[in-house]
Amino acid sequence: AQTVTQSQPEMSVQEAETVTLSCTYDTSESDYYLFWYKQPPSRQMILVIRQEAYKQQNATENRFSVNFQKAAKSFSLKISDSQLGDAAMYFCAYLFNQGGKLIFGQGTELSVKP
Amino acid sequence: DTGVSQNPRHKITKRGQNVTFRCDPISEHNRLYWYRQTLGQGPEFLTYFQNEAQLEKSRLLSDRFSAERPKGSFSTLEIQRTEQGDSAMYLCASSRESPEQYFGPGTRLTVT
Repeated sequence: AQTVTQSQPEMSVQEAETVTLSCTYDTSESDYYLFWYKQPPSRQMILVIRQEAYKQQNATENRFSVNFQKAAKSFSLKISDSQLGDAAMYFCAYLFNQGGKLIFGQGTELSVKP
Repeated sequence: DTGVSQNPRHKITKRGQNVTFRCDPISEHNRLYWYRQTLGQGPEFLTYFQNEAQLEKSRLLSDRFSAERPKGSFSTLEIQRTEQGDSAMYLCASSRESPEQYFGPGTRLTVT
């Protein structure tokens, strides 16, 4: 069975600094998708970034980028120039096929200090 | 797109009562998903539909839970004979022909 693990329950970063959130996963599949979702205190889940397993190039979306290490089954999220609005719970998620279910990690709560 | 909407946003019910939640997906999204999230945890998959067909159900979905999507548009999730352990946030998501799932604001259920 596929599993997703986020080993950092809480992280803190100074405004304008860079922070990296860790995620590891377990799967026997070779083709899959990985995501980072953000859930602010209002609790609406927002998609941050997506990575296809067949792509070697790491995905980037503005200040957000990932470090995808397929062999190590690692998928970390880097947030550059952190802003107060980045404070939220961040979830790593795995998807085996397009129409299927997302499998989420336990989440990392990120706080941003002014 | 107006986004995924869910109603009600909050529901307080007494143990043993039945409750029903509604999810309206983004227009033209043919896939619809239900997840449950308890405090401090990631969402857990419950079930999903492609159009009106229910394609997968989690073991978490006991016989007290039923979901429908009769016309392939909105969906309802009903919980019969609620228990305190059913207290959670119930999230709905939708997608079209792509891997990304877009989430609604959720319905928070409190069973007293």
